[in-house]
Amino acid sequence: QVQLVESGGGVVQPGRSLRLSCAASGFSFSNYAMHWVRQSPGRGLEWVAVISYDGSIEYYADSVKGRFTISRDNSKKTVYLRMNSLRAEDTAVYYCVRDTISSGFFSNYFDFWGQGTLVTVSS
Amino acid sequence: DIQMTQSPSSLSASVGDRVTINCRASQTISSHLNWYQQKPGKAPELLIYAASSLQGGVPSRFGGGGSGTDFTLTINNLQPEDFATYYCQQSSSNFITFGQGTRLQSK
Repeated sequence: QVQLVESGGGVVQPGRSLRLSCAASGFSFSNYAMHWVRQSPGRGLEWVAVISYDGSIEYYADSVKGRFTISRDNSKKTVYLRMNSLRAEDTAVYYCVRDTISSGFFSNYFDFWGQGTLVTVSS
Repeated sequence: DIQMTQSPSSLSASVGDRVTINCRASQTISSHLNWYQQKPGKAPELLIYAASSLQGGVPSRFGGGGSGTDFTLTINNLQPEDFATYYCQQSSSNFITFGQGTRLQSK
């Protein structure tokens, strides 16, 4: 069965960096675009970034553009989110999610979610 | 970015009721509208995609409708396990946005 397991969350000071990882199993990882979505009490669900199946295309939310970088290693079936210059407002549970279609395109909706990893930005 | 507005923000209902949740997009999104259910401490789950298509395994009491800018999620014969928070999400743009959520509570 499809599994997405996030790791790398924790408490970090403002201005510092953190890298999240998401290990995938149970499907042909290299065929699917992957997204990160975050959720904080004050801001609900917020889409963060997407990467195409082959890593050639990336899109970012305006709130993280220039600070966060999404990447993937298809040989390791893992997607990453590098977060730099972290701010208090980046505090959230970060979910790794799978795009629904197996092709070179994005459907931009999500059929499988990880359990989430909590990032807390605080001094 | 396309703004998504849900109404109401919260809703109280009883088992067996029919409830409707609304979602409005700030510009036309055709049928690129999806609905998720989230229970406390859990990740969201896809219920409806492309405005009205039921995701596999989702009970038929859930239904979606609308196109353009106005959409609805309807739950018929509300069951105890349906009390949760519901989110709409547009997939028309590569810059994906969600509604703020509707919390469905037991009356």
